[in-house]
Amino acid sequence: EAGVAQSPRYKIIEKRQSVAFWCNPISGHATLYWYQQILGQGPKLLIQFQNNGVVDDSQLPKDRFSAERLKGVDSTLKIQPAKLEDSAVYLCASSFWGNSEQETQYFGPGTRLLVL
Amino acid sequence: ILNVEQSPQSLHVQEGDSTNFTCSFPSSNFYALHWYRWETAKSPEALFVMTLNGDEKKKGRISATLNTKEGYSYLYIKGSQPEDSATYLCASLDGANNLFFGTGTRLTVIP
Repeated sequence: EAGVAQSPRYKIIEKRQSVAFWCNPISGHATLYWYQQILGQGPKLLIQFQNNGVVDDSQLPKDRFSAERLKGVDSTLKIQPAKLEDSAVYLCASSFWGNSEQETQYFGPGTRLLVL
Repeated sequence: ILNVEQSPQSLHVQEGDSTNFTCSFPSSNFYALHWYRWETAKSPEALFVMTLNGDEKKKGRISATLNTKEGYSYLYIKGSQPEDSATYLCASLDGANNLFFGTGTRLTVIP
């Protein structure tokens, strides 16, 4: 079974530029999550999708971050414009339903973003 | 938002030593506790999902226990090997199926 795919793996941009990250979850997984992991901190949930609908985006900085999952499969996370403090690893995860406490979230390898 | 804490922040052990880490989480409205292993440049790998007070789970040389009444979980590694070197993350699940992670314990096993 193929895992969660993410691209690019690394990205370096200058502040005020825009950047987009792509995620393809495990086939058949209804729920998709984006996390931000800043160096020295644990991953923080940015947004959760159930199929193509947003379940929770309460921690997404909506003035500069946006995410979509138009067909309920792959997803894109965008930052526009980027700030220095956005330097982090952006992790995508998926789970089968997302409605059971027993369910495992499967993570991709992440995109490492450096904003200069 | 759930406040999850892990200790120690980092740990160096000799190959063959056994070791353990602690994860503390809010004991009220508990749903589940997840443990992950994250090796550099790889995907975080799920180790355990624990839901019941007193639960003990084992995977090879790694095991974990759960105390939901006092809000802590221990992860044990028996006979550490260099390939166990990684960051070990725990996360508490809220009622909306969102995970709140600790900052992790970075383990280095010295050959």
